[in-house]
Amino acid sequence: GAVVSQHPSWVICKSGTSVKIECRSLDFQATTMFWYRQFPKQSLMLMATSNEGSKATYEQGVEKDKFLINHASLTLSTLTVTSAHPEDSSFYICSARDPRDSLQETQYFGPGTRLLVL
Amino acid sequence: QQQVKQSPQSLIVQKGGISIINCAYENTAFDYFPWYQQFPGKGPALLIAIRPDVSEKKEGRFTISFNKSAKQFSLHIMDSQPGDSATYFCAASKDTGRRALTFGSGTRLQVQP
Repeated sequence: GAVVSQHPSWVICKSGTSVKIECRSLDFQATTMFWYRQFPKQSLMLMATSNEGSKATYEQGVEKDKFLINHASLTLSTLTVTSAHPEDSSFYICSARDPRDSLQETQYFGPGTRLLVL
Repeated sequence: QQQVKQSPQSLIVQKGGISIINCAYENTAFDYFPWYQQFPGKGPALLIAIRPDVSEKKEGRFTISFNKSAKQFSLHIMDSQPGDSATYFCAASKDTGRRALTFGSGTRLQVQP
């Protein structure tokens, strides 16, 4: 199956700093990637859809100026949490569909990035 | 509005038993229904998925049952093993547009030896 990686796997930062999380499709090209946030023992909540070469689409209630998304190439999307605060501490997960899949149904998820803001 | 409702929240099953997790959806535009398995600290991994044109799909020990009229679908894990202990999420998506997934709330399954 297709492989999606994320870097870093975990990060600790001070309140007020910015953190960048990378999402890469390793063996396929993805024009669209999705970013999710998951709080402990809760479900995955879609934050935004990352579109290669164009602006991201944000879900209602997600601040686009706080969560900056850049999809500069067909294999890389980045999520930058700007001016992070303790309430931004969460598990951030990206996903993408493999265009080699004829139906392009399956979303392949990355391993996630654990963010802790002190 | 919670578009995909999942139950139970947690489930304890003895080794060799059958684990059953249920989901119900509201949006009739959904036409793709996957189940994901997630271990602590890891990303979700696809287990099995179904489309509304079939009522059941089986892959190994995992079976999805789908009831379109009731807008419900369920995951059955046969011969449950301790290694199956994880959190399971049902999800749904439309076949148009971004086809983003809407997830259920999750079920924490514990299979006791």
